[in-house]
Amino acid sequence: GEDVEQSLFLSVREGDSSVINCTYTDSSSTYLYWYKQEPGAGLQLLTYIFSNMDMKQDQRLTVLLNKKDKHLSLRIADTQTGDSAIYFCALGRNTDKLIFGTGTRLQVFP
Amino acid sequence: DVKVTQSSRYLVKRTGEKVFLECVQDMDHENMFWYRQDPGLGLRLIYFSYDVKMKEKGDIPEGYSVSREKKERFSLILESASTNQTSMYLCATASGLLGHGYTFGSGTRLTVV
Repeated sequence: GEDVEQSLFLSVREGDSSVINCTYTDSSSTYLYWYKQEPGAGLQLLTYIFSNMDMKQDQRLTVLLNKKDKHLSLRIADTQTGDSAIYFCALGRNTDKLIFGTGTRLQVFP
Repeated sequence: DVKVTQSSRYLVKRTGEKVFLECVQDMDHENMFWYRQDPGLGLRLIYFSYDVKMKEKGDIPEGYSVSREKKERFSLILESASTNQTSMYLCATASGLLGHGYTFGSGTRLTVV
């Protein structure tokens, strides 16, 4: 089956950029998503990218997709304490049965 | 915005009890999903449903069953709760529109003692 891997923790200083990485094994995914989970809450869709794109920018968020290396990343510019959360990447060929990564806990310190 | 409501935020049950976790959506989404979330393991799919009275096993269905008698409600049932089912349970729905992804409920943290 599909494997989707993320590092478990990332710690950054407030104001710096954060880069959260995701690697996967199945290259047939059509859509690749980033979700954010704040403490005690469900997952919230942050952004997504089509598999035929290399980059997508949405305000402070930049998604990069390297299909050759099967690597997806989420860059958060000017990271704030409110960005502290768990971030999940997810892959799917349609909206059925998305495959989620293990999640990266981002901690922002002053 | 679609809302996905899970009936309980926190639940404590005893080993061997039958447990019902309820999920209700207020939009007309066909697809509904139950996941469990454990540290370091991400989200694992338990069951999903494409339509009323339809259900499909996910990756970890053992010890669980589901019910979808109405389109808006998807119930997860633990027939005989065990301590290894202590977890965060997340319900999600999907509209079928590509790129919209899933909409999640707030989760139910279940502790089996």
